[in-house]
Formats: sequence, structure tokens, C-alpha cells
Amino acid sequence: RKEVEQDPGPFNVPEGATVAFNCTYSNSASQSFFWYRQDCRKEPKLLMSVYSSGNEDGRFTAQLNRASQYISLLIRDSKLSDSATYLCVVTRPGGADGLTFGKGTHLIIQP
Amino acid sequence: DARVTQTPRHKVTEMGQEVTMRCQPILGHNTVFWYRQTMMQGLELLAYFRNRAPLDDSGMPKDRFSAEMPDATLATLKIQPSEPRDSAVYFCASGPPGLAGRTQYFGPGTRLTVL
Repeated sequence: RKEVEQDPGPFNVPEGATVAFNCTYSNSASQSFFWYRQDCRKEPKLLMSVYSSGNEDGRFTAQLNRASQYISLLIRDSKLSDSATYLCVVTRPGGADGLTFGKGTHLIIQP
Repeated sequence: DARVTQTPRHKVTEMGQEVTMRCQPILGHNTVFWYRQTMMQGLELLAYFRNRAPLDDSGMPKDRFSAEMPDATLATLKIQPSEPRDSAVYFCASGPPGLAGRTQYFGPGTRLTVL
């Protein structure tokens, strides 16, 4: 089983719609969770951290379910500029630095 | 606006040649990571350093890859000899003291093509 699994998509969504995607992680000892965004031919950039209590940043909401080892990202009122690949990321267990990335979900917002 | 810089941005070489990629971390960051991204495998951690000391290189093929930090402002990743399967984008990232497990800033990457 892969450490972090995501649906690769692509998700084709009309502008203004709400879109949600999620990922699962295999190691229950993982402690920190993030969503990164990667534009085509660019480097990954941190979008937001994910907490069990939920985390909202404008149109973006992230949620963690530790019992199910499941992380979600919700984007409301999607914009054309939201088109990107969204990477689900967990820290490595045992206090080691370095991140484990999912392969990403490709999102295309259509006008 | 502090950024991680990487050189070269693009590299095309022939199989068997040596490739050296360089990274300048953000000033004050003491942890430096090397990642590789391919379509098949996604982003994978190759190695990382803290305070210039290598802490983990378990993700790196040992026979041909080597990573060093000659000083706090320079990290290098070398492949010798290179093979076509090494074609990928190599990212360097740096993190601040105490937070590198959570906060990492990526450079623009070196796009390597081995023919």
C-alpha cells in the first residue's frame, strides 16, 4: 500500500463550483499533515496545514480524520486560478524530518 | 523575498556523464532536503542535512548518487555516472531551525534529461 494515496484526477470543474478531494495515508504514526499546491512546471508550495479540528483559509477548508487516516480539501467558489495539482503531504513518523507526498490530484477549473 | 535557488534550471546530458546540481538554501535555514519528482513516482525524498550533517540518505541510490553540504550556503547533489532513468526534476528545499519537519520552502528545481 502506498504511504499517501490520492485520486490523480483530473477533476474538471466549472468556475464557481465547489470541489472536494481527499487522500488516505498508511502510517498511523504520522503526526502532521498538509496540502501543497503545485502549478505546472513549478515547485510545490504550502497551501495549508490540516488539523483534526479542521482548518479554514478563505475558500479552502481542510480536515483530518485520524481514525480513518483520511485527509480532505474543500474548495468553494472555485476560480480559474485554482487550476493546479494538489498534493497531500504527511510528515514522516518518528520525528524524522522530510515530507511524504502523494502523487497529487490534478484540478482544472473551466470557464 | 528570501528564496531557495537552484542551478542549473535545466540540464541535458548523455548517459554516463557526471551531473552536479547546486542549491542555495534560504539564509538562516539549517535543514536542507533533496527531492526528486517523476511522473511515475511523484515526489520522493532523496536525502537531507541538518546543520550541514547528513541525517538521512536512505532514499538515494548509493552507487551513483552523492549529496554534500560544503558550507551552510551550498548543497550539492551529484550523479556519476548518469543514466536515462535519472531523468526527473530535482528539487531542493530548506527549512528553519526547529520547524523543518513542518515548514519547507522549495527551490524552482533542476530539470534533468539524460539521453
